Amino acid sequence: DAGITQSPRYKITETGRQVTLMCHQTWSHSYMFWYRQDLGHGLRLIYYSAAADITDKGEVPDGYVVSRSKTENFPLTLESATRSQTSVYFCASSVTPLGSLNTEAFFGQGTRLTVV
Amino acid sequence: AQTVTQSQPEMSVQEAETVTLSCTYDTSESDYYLFWYKQPPSRQMILVIRQEAYKQQNATENRFSVNFQKAAKSFSLKISDSQLGDAAMYFCASRKGAQKLVFGQGTRLTINP
Repeated sequence: DAGITQSPRYKITETGRQVTLMCHQTWSHSYMFWYRQDLGHGLRLIYYSAAADITDKGEVPDGYVVSRSKTENFPLTLESATRSQTSVYFCASSVTPLGSLNTEAFFGQGTRLTVV
Repeated sequence: AQTVTQSQPEMSVQEAETVTLSCTYDTSESDYYLFWYKQPPSRQMILVIRQEAYKQQNATENRFSVNFQKAAKSFSLKISDSQLGDAAMYFCASRKGAQKLVFGQGTRLTINP
């Protein structure tokens, strides 16, 4: 199916474990993003990527690792999960045509992660 | 740095009436874009409307329109003839060029039948 998909939709993990959230898009969009959504904070950017093998930190990157070996995939890894990382995580993608800055971001359906 | 502020955590409106959601932002850029996203209970983020900062004319999409005040750095969303399906979280966001999208804290909109 075309679009952007996240997996899993729900995940419960224990403190200290490593967990990876997957994100896959079929549009070949250049840009991909990871956000976390917490009550009272809206969506905060964790990491983003402008292209394969190019990633950069966002607002709240500590405790997270990303990679982008292929354009269509942008996994987010929590190296050692903490309770403060309990959140809903959204992946998004967008395209930036040459000469155009008018881009919207398309979002996945989110992953609800609970760290116990 | 970009910041986006939504000062209304919750709003409610009677069905068929008009409601306005507030948003202010702060940016040092001269060229940027502003967005309103809707997030229903399904959690899907849906783009409602967007505004290019260089355009003076306010964007309109059917029942949704914005009041863009560039000097005041204000970007409010007006929903006319509110419908039950409009109930959702609404997020204001700004984007500098082709880079990251920065969101406000969100406003939960309730539609009263």
